[in-house]
Amino acid sequence: DAEITQSPRHKITETGRQVTLACHQTWNHNNMFWYRQDLGHGLRLIHYSYGVQDTNKGEVSDGYSVSRSNTEDLPLTLESAASSQTSVYFCASRGTGSAGELFFGEGSRLTVL
Amino acid sequence: AQSVTQLGSHVSVSEGALVLLRCNYSSSVPPYLFWYVQYPNQGLQLLLKYTSAATLVKGINGFEAEFKKSETSFHLTKPSAHMSDAAEYFCAVSEQTGANNLFFGTGTRLTVIP
Repeated sequence: DAEITQSPRHKITETGRQVTLACHQTWNHNNMFWYRQDLGHGLRLIHYSYGVQDTNKGEVSDGYSVSRSNTEDLPLTLESAASSQTSVYFCASRGTGSAGELFFGEGSRLTVL
Repeated sequence: AQSVTQLGSHVSVSEGALVLLRCNYSSSVPPYLFWYVQYPNQGLQLLLKYTSAATLVKGINGFEAEFKKSETSFHLTKPSAHMSDAAEYFCAVSEQTGANNLFFGTGTRLTVIP
C-alpha cells in the first residue's frame, strides 16, 4: 500500500543546530506540504511544493527551508533551530485537484532546548 | 482568502449522546470542505469531504456533515458518541479551482464521558 513516512519521529536538539526532517511518500503525488501543529493554533502551513524543483512559502516559513529534487521526498530543514520551533511537524501529500484527500504522515516531534 | 472557524476548542459529551462539532467557512464561492480526525500521537485521517455533490455527506465511523451555503457552515455530527470517538477534529477548506492547499481550523478536542 502507498504511504507517507516521516523520520525521525522524535528528536531533541539544541538551539542553533541545523535539523532536517525527512518526508517520503509512495503515492506518486505531485503536491507535498509541511505543517506544524501547536496548541491553540491548529495546523499551520510552513512550505509546500507542487512538483519537482517547485517550492513555495506558507504562512509560517521563517527559519525553515525545503527542497524538492524528486517526486517522493520533501525534506524540511531548520537552518538554526530556535526554541520557538519546538513543535510537532506533519508532512502531507495530495494528488492533483482540489477535491482530493490530503494524506498525512505520523508526525515528527521536535524539541529545541 | 479561504478560512475556517471551529467554535469550541473543547467539547465534552456523554457516551451515547449526540456529537455536534461546528465549522464555519469564509469564502466568496462555495469551497470544498473536509473533516479530519486525529487520534493521540497519530497523523490526521480523513473523516469525510464535501465536493459539490450531495449536501449531506456521510463519512467513516458513523459521522456525517451537512453543507449549508446560506449559513456558510459544515457542522459534523454523530447521533451516538462512543468512547473511541475521543480525539481532535479539524475542519479544512480548499478552493474548487486553482490552489491545492488546504486551510485548517484550530481544531476541537472531543472528550467522551462514560
